[in-house]
Amino acid sequence: DQQVKQNSPSLSVQEGRISILNCDYTNSMFDYFLWYKKYPAEGPTFLISISSIKDKNEDGRFTVFLNKSAKHLSLHIVPSQPGDSAVYFCAALRANFGNEKLTFGTGTRLTIIP
Amino acid sequence: AAGVIQSPRHLIKEKRETATLKCYPIPRHDTVYWYQQGPGQDPQFLISFYEKMQSDKGSIPDRFSAQQFSDYHSELNMSSLELGDSALYFCASSLTKGYYEQYFGPGTRLTVT
Repeated sequence: DQQVKQNSPSLSVQEGRISILNCDYTNSMFDYFLWYKKYPAEGPTFLISISSIKDKNEDGRFTVFLNKSAKHLSLHIVPSQPGDSAVYFCAALRANFGNEKLTFGTGTRLTIIP
Repeated sequence: AAGVIQSPRHLIKEKRETATLKCYPIPRHDTVYWYQQGPGQDPQFLISFYEKMQSDKGSIPDRFSAQQFSDYHSELNMSSLELGDSALYFCASSLTKGYYEQYFGPGTRLTVT
């Protein structure tokens, strides 16, 4: 039962344009969400997070949007750079239940085209 | 900045052997998590520790055990290894309970032959 889903296995974006990665979840008890970036042979790198009490969080080129009613979040990267090419995972946890294990999505491979 | 250290980075074992994976969290982090990532899969939570006590357990086989030591490093012990245990094993640390950002190590690639 995949509780966190990333329906696009891959995405290609021109350098300088906006990259939008999407994530859906089914468990309404998730209340904290994180995005990670992963290069081959490396561990996931934390990018940005958002609590369910917010609908937007921004950090430099990265912005995460959360739509609780739709159980949907998205990561916007603008402008996209070649170094952004990687696999992106969204992850969720149940902070208010003291349950801090991450449940990951299946990942989206982002390729930035120079 | 100091990151999470995992050792070894690569490990090859035969079926029915044992393996020990080590994790050294970021300094001053007292919470450690272990995840397993199979080929083409997303990372799956195994077990976590907070202040040297087990705090949560996921789908970890009974053949696996783990602990966190007084210096906050953690070890994952795997016995009676099976072919299906071949995977990437990640350790992550967070500052403490209530700080949700987890920082991952580079992983240990375990191959069971």
